[in-house]
Amino acid sequence: DSGVTQTPKHLITATGQRVTLRCSPRSGDLSVYWYQQSLDQGLQFLIHYYNGEERAKGNILERFSAQQFPDLHSELNLSSLELGDSALYFCASGGTGTPPFTGELFFGEGSRLTVL
Amino acid sequence: ELKVEQNPLFLSMQEGKNYTIYCNYSTTSDRLYWYRQDPGKSLESLFVLLSNGAVKQEGRLMASLDTKARLSTLHITAAVHDLSATYFCAVAHSGRDDKIIFGKGTRLHILP
Repeated sequence: DSGVTQTPKHLITATGQRVTLRCSPRSGDLSVYWYQQSLDQGLQFLIHYYNGEERAKGNILERFSAQQFPDLHSELNLSSLELGDSALYFCASGGTGTPPFTGELFFGEGSRLTVL
Repeated sequence: ELKVEQNPLFLSMQEGKNYTIYCNYSTTSDRLYWYRQDPGKSLESLFVLLSNGAVKQEGRLMASLDTKARLSTLHITAAVHDLSATYFCAVAHSGRDDKIIFGKGTRLHILP
């Protein structure tokens, strides 16, 4: 158990809908990263938050947005869903100090999204 | 833009053999990660390498980092079936934004 909690674990929805994925980082970790992993693909970096502030964006679609709340949990919002958004979405946490941190990055179990 | 390339992308090998996975990256970085992923599972942290010349070993796996060559290697010694998995390297982008970019992964299949 990495200490990073993601909910829901599985989600099935229809095209055009909107979903929210939630991530609770390990206790004390200030950084949250979101990644998308499609079938047989590597991990695509989406976005990084540190202590409530957006630090970096990757190839995140405009239909997607994220935030990190004062209690440090983070949410990834996916809207106007398309079939191609079906993927495993991971969040990872790390870092108790000011970035760049040098410790490990711990991954949650992921949220598997299926868009029908 | 930071690019991370792993090779090979697929590797099938016999138990007992040695092999190396390579991870090249395109820009300066101050740390490099290796992860293991089993099918349908999360990523398990193997190593974090922070400095030039860093070498870390755990069991049959050994990782090294050459920051001048922008190259990391993951060496497998006397492979066993249990090491079958996908291995990813990930590189942190030096600077304020602190992106961590993953390679495409190496799918390792070890034949008994």
